[in-house]
Amino acid sequence: NAGVMQNPRHLVRRRGQEARLRCSPMKGHSHVYWYRQLPEEGLKFMVYLQKENIIDESGMPKERFSAEFPKEGPSILRIQQVVRGDSAAYFCASSPDQGRGHRFGPGTRLTVL
Amino acid sequence: QQQVKQSPQSLIVQKGGISIINCAYENTAFDYFPWYQQFPGKGPALLIAIRPDVSEKKEGRFTISFNKSAKQFSLHIMDSQPGDSATYFCAAKGSARQLTFGSGTQLTVLP
Repeated sequence: NAGVMQNPRHLVRRRGQEARLRCSPMKGHSHVYWYRQLPEEGLKFMVYLQKENIIDESGMPKERFSAEFPKEGPSILRIQQVVRGDSAAYFCASSPDQGRGHRFGPGTRLTVL
Repeated sequence: QQQVKQSPQSLIVQKGGISIINCAYENTAFDYFPWYQQFPGKGPALLIAIRPDVSEKKEGRFTISFNKSAKQFSLHIMDSQPGDSATYFCAAKGSARQLTFGSGTQLTVLP
């Protein structure tokens, strides 16, 4: 029973490039959340999705960031024209319902040079 | 009002001692309070969680104490072990599905 899967685990991009982070939720989980963790800080909510729908993107920066959770395939967090301030660990979590029992993936550590 | 304040920022405990981490919140609509454990380079792992209709929950060496009137909750780790050395995060959830996290406590248990 695989947990939440994220890839890549590490991603290096130069300023101005695009970053694509992928997340496959746990089996049976239809709710996906993305969080960002800056060094020495807690996790900050970015976006909450269900299949084919963005439910809450109140934590997502208005520009350059987008997320999707298509009918088939993993959830994708996309960061366009990355800047050094985007360097962080990005964690995906999934839950079966009601937001309780968040299970986190291992994260993608993005480094922007 | 959405903040969860966590203290201390770091904690050093001797093996066999009790580790205590505290959190406070303002939003009375929060109805679920989990604690997560995170090792370096790993994702947070759910440790234990409590709802506000319960004042205490215990699972093995880990206990959550909840004080609804004070809007505070704490994690107690009994008989702390070096393997418990990690960063601990409290969190809270209200009507929104996402979690609001505290800033984390870096626990070091000395052998």
